[in-house]
Parts: sequence; C-alpha cells; structure tokens
Amino acid sequence: AAGVIQSPRHLIKEKRETATLKCYPIPRHDTVYWYQQGPGQDPQFLISFYEKMQSDKGSIPDRFSAQQFSDYHSELNMSSLELGDSALYFCASSLGRHSSTDTQYFGPGTRLTVL
Amino acid sequence: AQKVTQAQTEISVVEKEDVTLDCVYETRDTTYYLFWYKQPPSGELVFLIRRNSFDEQNEISGRYSWNFQKSTSSFNFTITASQVVDSAVYFCALSEAGGGGADGLTFGKGTHLIIQP
Repeated sequence: AAGVIQSPRHLIKEKRETATLKCYPIPRHDTVYWYQQGPGQDPQFLISFYEKMQSDKGSIPDRFSAQQFSDYHSELNMSSLELGDSALYFCASSLGRHSSTDTQYFGPGTRLTVL
Repeated sequence: AQKVTQAQTEISVVEKEDVTLDCVYETRDTTYYLFWYKQPPSGELVFLIRRNSFDEQNEISGRYSWNFQKSTSSFNFTITASQVVDSAVYFCALSEAGGGGADGLTFGKGTHLIIQP
C-alpha cells in the first residue's frame, strides 16, 4: 500500500540558511501533520492542515511556516536555521480530521542537520 | 492539559520472554483516543493500534495484546514470546476529541525495548 512520502530524506544546512521539507500524503488523505523529533526525544507536534486550511497548531517556532496545496501535499518552510533545529521531521497524514476516525500514518521522516 | 507518561525508559529481555510496556495518561476530556507507535532503529514511526475512550474492550493481535483500563488511566502493551525484531522504541500517544479536528498527538517519552538473542 502507498505510504506517506517525504523529501528530501536527508538535508544538511548551515546556520541562518533556509530549508523546505515536502510531504506527499497517502492517496485520498486530505489531512497532514508535521512533527519534530530531536535526538532521543519524543515527537513534538508542530502544525496540521485540513483541506488546505491550518487546523491545529502546536509548538511551531515563528521562523517556521507551512502550507497545504491543492493536491494535498504540504511543505514546511524553515528560515534562519539554528543548531537546535537539527532533528528528524515527520509528516503524517490521515483521512479526514475528526478524531474518531483520523489515525495518523507517518512518513519516513527528513533528517535535518544544521551546521 | 493532556499528558502521557511512560515510566519505563528502557527494558531489556531475552528472546521469547513476555514483556509489558506501561502507559499512563492524563486528560480532562471524556472522549479521547489512545495509540501505540513503534520506532525501529531505521527511524520510521509505525502505527500499531488505536483505542477509543468509549471502547474498553481489550485486544489481541498475534503476539501483541493491549490492556485499556479507564479506571487507572492506563493503556498497556504486551508482547508475548518476544523476538529480536521487536527491538525498537515504543511510543504511547493521546489525542483529545475536544479540539477543532486534525489535532496533534501528545506522545510519551517512549520505552526503548531491547530483545537479546
């Protein structure tokens, strides 16, 4: 079965640079979520989108922004990168946004390293 | 505020032993959803099970079983006859129904399970 696709899988950036992470949800899924997982940490929710509108917001820094496009893929834009942004970034997708049905399926993650 | 506690940071057992991973949660909502995810060394997060707060029926799936008890706010996970391939970090997660939808999951700190051959 098709899964969530994330690109790139690995990314190396310098401090103060920008980065864009992409997420392609499972076909027919209309909801995407972004999470950040630091080394040895649990995933932290950043933001979610349903039908191209922001739905829920977690601990996303102001330097980060995200959007969902008409084909339901999503991009996470990160500016003025800091060393502390080095982490594994997960995208997840679900069918619908109602908690009663929306199990989140995760992509393989993008490992961002900031030097 | 919602919270998930996995008190066991690391568990090490010998292959074929049974092992139980503990999860305790806190929430003010009467309707909520609990999940277990597995993160093997390769790094991906694999969905294992979902349980709704209004459904306390426990479940067995092959070597996996789950024990959900609202009275003690616990959602424990047991692996029977463990195998080396079960070695991974296991996360318990919670989602409340009171938000506007597409709510983020709150994860526990995870339990690192090591199965020794």
